[in-house]
Amino acid sequence: NAGVTQTPKFQVLKTGQSMTLQCAQDMNHEYMSWYRQDPGMGLRLIHYSVGAGITDQGEVPNGYNVSRSTTEDFPLRLLSAAPSQTSVYFCASREENEQFFGPGTRLTVL
Amino acid sequence: GENVEQHPSTLSVQEGDSAVIKCTYSDSASNYFPWYKQELGKRPQLIIDIRSNVGEKKDQRIAVTLNKTAKHFSLHITETQPEDSAVYFCAASRSNFGNEKLTFGTGTRLTIIP
Repeated sequence: NAGVTQTPKFQVLKTGQSMTLQCAQDMNHEYMSWYRQDPGMGLRLIHYSVGAGITDQGEVPNGYNVSRSTTEDFPLRLLSAAPSQTSVYFCASREENEQFFGPGTRLTVL
Repeated sequence: GENVEQHPSTLSVQEGDSAVIKCTYSDSASNYFPWYKQELGKRPQLIIDIRSNVGEKKDQRIAVTLNKTAKHFSLHITETQPEDSAVYFCAASRSNFGNEKLTFGTGTRLTIIP
């Protein structure tokens, strides 16, 4: 049981490049979400999904897309990276009491 | 939407003393309040949570209190130890059934001084 996994661990992009952050969970959780963590700003919700085929925007969705074709996978796409998207990104899945976080992806946009 | 404020942003206490972190929330429909601990370079992990039908919950050295009328809840750590040094986040949600968003506070960096 691997829990929530994320790839890559680290990534450096140039402004304007696109990329996909991968997230997978093997706990059969319906609810998955993406957060970004910036110093002094806590964990801010980017997008979330309550099940396969269903996604919705969180607090800071601009510049990001998501899809949920399976229960297990919830990738986050950066369409055209900007320096303001430099952050640590956490994927999470949740069922009832506890939200489980992935190990995070540290993204730097130059 | 929900807004969660957390204070203080940093807190230093002597080893063995108690630490208290406070959060307020805005959505009166929120009824689930978890606390997460994040050690340096690691992912956040749930340490304790409370639902709106109880006013206090304890787990060894950690306790959480909830005042629904005032819309605030607090984390209490007693007999602090060096391994308690971390960033702590409070959060609020309308449901503990996993289908509602969690809104997080901005975090408190707790440092335990040996």
